[in-house]
Amino acid sequence: AQSVTQLGSHVSVSEGALVLLRCNYSSSVPPYLFWYVQYPNQGLQLLLKYTTGATLVKGINGFEAEFKKSETSFHLTKPSAHMSDAAEYFCAVSVAAGNKLTFGGGTRVLVKP
Amino acid sequence: DTEVTQTPKHLVMGMTNKKSLKCEQHMGHRAMYWYKQKAKKPPELMFVYSYEKLSINESVPSRFSPECPNSSLLNLHLHALQPEDSALYLCASSARANTEAFFGQGTRLTVV
Repeated sequence: AQSVTQLGSHVSVSEGALVLLRCNYSSSVPPYLFWYVQYPNQGLQLLLKYTTGATLVKGINGFEAEFKKSETSFHLTKPSAHMSDAAEYFCAVSVAAGNKLTFGGGTRVLVKP
Repeated sequence: DTEVTQTPKHLVMGMTNKKSLKCEQHMGHRAMYWYKQKAKKPPELMFVYSYEKLSINESVPSRFSPECPNSSLLNLHLHALQPEDSALYLCASSARANTEAFFGQGTRLTVV
């Protein structure tokens, strides 16, 4: 079975400050990992993904994430927050056995001017 | 074209009504999904179609009935829903297992 835990349901950052969203996963087989963003009343948009290869992955809007197998983590960062980054962020995991994508509980990001 | 299109965007239905949600993608993806999302919660998987065959059914009540007429279309038929079924229903597609899923904008369903 696979699962995802996002630490912190709410994160508040100042504009221009570092954004750090934490994600830990549990999987019995090598996972595929994803970060999605959701703006109010909209669908989910893929920010970035890790499948195999390079453990530091870069995504859209200046976000990046690092896969650390030893820590079973896939934390999302952005060096400088922008007001437009205010949204809900979901970490998700899938495994090779099937199509099932499992989401973490989500982290709502608030950006203060 | 990297879009998943869902219609309608909003739907209000009574508990005795029958309605359908529609989803379309033209990316050549062979896996399509229905998710249900309640307010302030992550999406919950309902159904997965792989190559037009139902591959995952997450013990969803029979008042929800999925249909995949062809590789581009996915429907969700609704009948005799309950107020607690009110939620955002999201459709998604992916090229194959474990590749990234592309989501539609969702249908906001309200059951009265």
